[in-house]
Amino acid sequence: DAGVIQSPRHEVTEMGQEVTLRCKPISGHDYLFWYRQTMMQGLELLVYFNNKAVMDDSGMPKDRFSAKMPNASFSTLKIQPSEPRDSAVYFCASSFQSIAGGARYEQYFGPGTRLTVT
Amino acid sequence: GQQVMQIPQYQHVQEGEDFTTYCNSSTTLSNIQWYKQRPGGHPVFLIQLVKSGEVKKQKRLTFQFGEAKKNSSLHITATQTTDVGTYFCAGRTSGTYKYIFGTGTRLKVLA
Repeated sequence: DAGVIQSPRHEVTEMGQEVTLRCKPISGHDYLFWYRQTMMQGLELLVYFNNKAVMDDSGMPKDRFSAKMPNASFSTLKIQPSEPRDSAVYFCASSFQSIAGGARYEQYFGPGTRLTVT
Repeated sequence: GQQVMQIPQYQHVQEGEDFTTYCNSSTTLSNIQWYKQRPGGHPVFLIQLVKSGEVKKQKRLTFQFGEAKKNSSLHITATQTTDVGTYFCAGRTSGTYKYIFGTGTRLKVLA
């Protein structure tokens, strides 16, 4: 398997523009997570899905961020309008529930999208 | 809300020295995971601990889960330059499948 795929790898945009980040999880995984990483805040969970349904989006600024998972193999994180404080590395991760040997939810992270908003 | 703190924030060691990072949660955890992130890379899963007082070893790495399931530690024996990176713990509470990541400990190993 190719692992979690994210695109683009780098994005530079101007304040006020719309940004769309994309993620393809590992086939068969039923959980998908979006994280944001900055030096100041560390790794923050923005939203996570289970079987395409949003389970928790309490970490996501609702006024400008939206996340969708239209099918099991694709998810998007959209920022509109973007602001300089959104500059960060955005990671997508996927996992699956494995009961054998005890429940495991190890997350497989994608390479990340480095977003710079000027 | 739930918070997970790690200490120290940074650690510089000479190659061959030992290293320990500590993770403390404000709430009782169902389980805890550890990840390693190399500079410029993404977090990579290392291990999961589930039971109170559990100890697991992976070669030179020893992981512990506290008796109260609110703290954990990672100890590396005889560090090598390949151990460089940031180590994160991530805790999950019951009733949810989301993990709260700790603040991370950045390890530098001087050859």
